[in-house]
Amino acid sequence: ETGVTQSPTHLIKTRGQQVTLRCSSQSGHNTVSWYQQALGQGPQFIFQYYREEENGRGNFPPRFSGLQFPNYSSELNVNALELDDSALYLCASSPPTSGRAGGEQFFGPGTRLTVL
Amino acid sequence: GDSVTQMEGPVTLSEEAFLTINCTYTATGYPSLFWYVQYPGEGLQLLLKATKADDKGSNKGFEATYRKETTSFHLEKGSVQVSDSAVYFCALSDRTDKLIFGTGTRLQVFP
Repeated sequence: ETGVTQSPTHLIKTRGQQVTLRCSSQSGHNTVSWYQQALGQGPQFIFQYYREEENGRGNFPPRFSGLQFPNYSSELNVNALELDDSALYLCASSPPTSGRAGGEQFFGPGTRLTVL
Repeated sequence: GDSVTQMEGPVTLSEEAFLTINCTYTATGYPSLFWYVQYPGEGLQLLLKATKADDKGSNKGFEATYRKETTSFHLEKGSVQVSDSAVYFCALSDRTDKLIFGTGTRLQVFP
């Protein structure tokens, strides 16, 4: 069984640019969540997608947007990059029974974004 | 809103020492509670979980008990190994499945 994968592994952008990060969910999982982890901090919830619809959003501005595709893979897009967007971006997927299982999520290795 | 507070690190121990990492939470409902571990350069791995009061989660020698009366979920291990060196995150999940994390506690175990 393939776990959650993310691409690219590392990315360097300049302020004002746009970036797209990609995530393939674990087989059989239909929910994808994105988190931002700044250096030395815990992950912060950005948003969650369930069956191609946004299903909850954290305290992030609209320049953070996402998509989920019919195969349940997902993209995170960030426009007008700022220096503070430099972080590790984590994708997590959950199975259809997650609600009964207590919200367990399975994380990918992350994409390290550096904004110069 | 809901939140998680962890003890600050780093926690530095010798091999075979006893480990406790404190975690307390604030939540309006009855969340599920988790401990995740992050090894250097990697993503998060679920270590253990508990979904209701008095549940004990356990895995790889680690244990944590969901204490509703003290709103705590402290992580313990009786004998740590060098390979346990990592950052440990306490987290809670509300009904939306959104995870709320603490700031993490770095554990360093020396031979």
